[in-house]
Amino acid sequence: DVKVTQSSRYLVKRTGEKVFLECVQDMDHENMFWYRQDPGLGLRLIYFSYDVKMKEKGDIPEGYSVSREKKERFSLILESASTNQTSMYLCASSPRLNTEAFFGQGTRLTVV
Amino acid sequence: AQTVTQSQPEMSVQEAETVTLSCTYDTSESNYYLFWYKQPPSRQMILVIRQEAYKQQNATENRFSVNFQKAAKSFSLKISDSQLGDTAMYFCAFCWAYNTDKLIFGTGTRLQVFP
Repeated sequence: DVKVTQSSRYLVKRTGEKVFLECVQDMDHENMFWYRQDPGLGLRLIYFSYDVKMKEKGDIPEGYSVSREKKERFSLILESASTNQTSMYLCASSPRLNTEAFFGQGTRLTVV
Repeated sequence: AQTVTQSQPEMSVQEAETVTLSCTYDTSESNYYLFWYKQPPSRQMILVIRQEAYKQQNATENRFSVNFQKAAKSFSLKISDSQLGDTAMYFCAFCWAYNTDKLIFGTGTRLQVFP
């Protein structure tokens, strides 16, 4: 069974904290994605990575960074969390030609 | 830039009836994939159906089928014999084929199936 696992389902952090969201996939996929999901806005791409140590900005990269040191792991970093980053974060992975993306269960982050 | 538009924020249907969800997209590319994803209340997003743009035949998966109109850039999802388990958010998505690139989603349609 294919799997994308996000380290937490729920997180509560304080404004200004550095936050790490971890995502691991076991399918040997080249591509990995971080999305943010907000009501009425759908899924907005923050960053994606098509190979180890490679990354591309998505539509809303401001306030975020990513790390992909190993093929199976893609981390999203909020350098200094702010209340407007309260959201649902979804990680996904796909094979190189994007024939199908597999998603994690999501992390609901609340910044207070 | 590619965009995906879902103009129906919410829809409802009675069990066993048929419902169609709309999606339009904008691209200058000729080779691409289109997808419908389902996100049930439990939140795990799963693929419902995929269409390759170079294929003229509409994709089908059991009770789910698409109406792909390439010239009109339209990609609607038809759910036949709706079941209570079809209640979910449905997202239309786009990406280039034969190239590694980002997967773009629409804003979603919330579908409620009533008994």
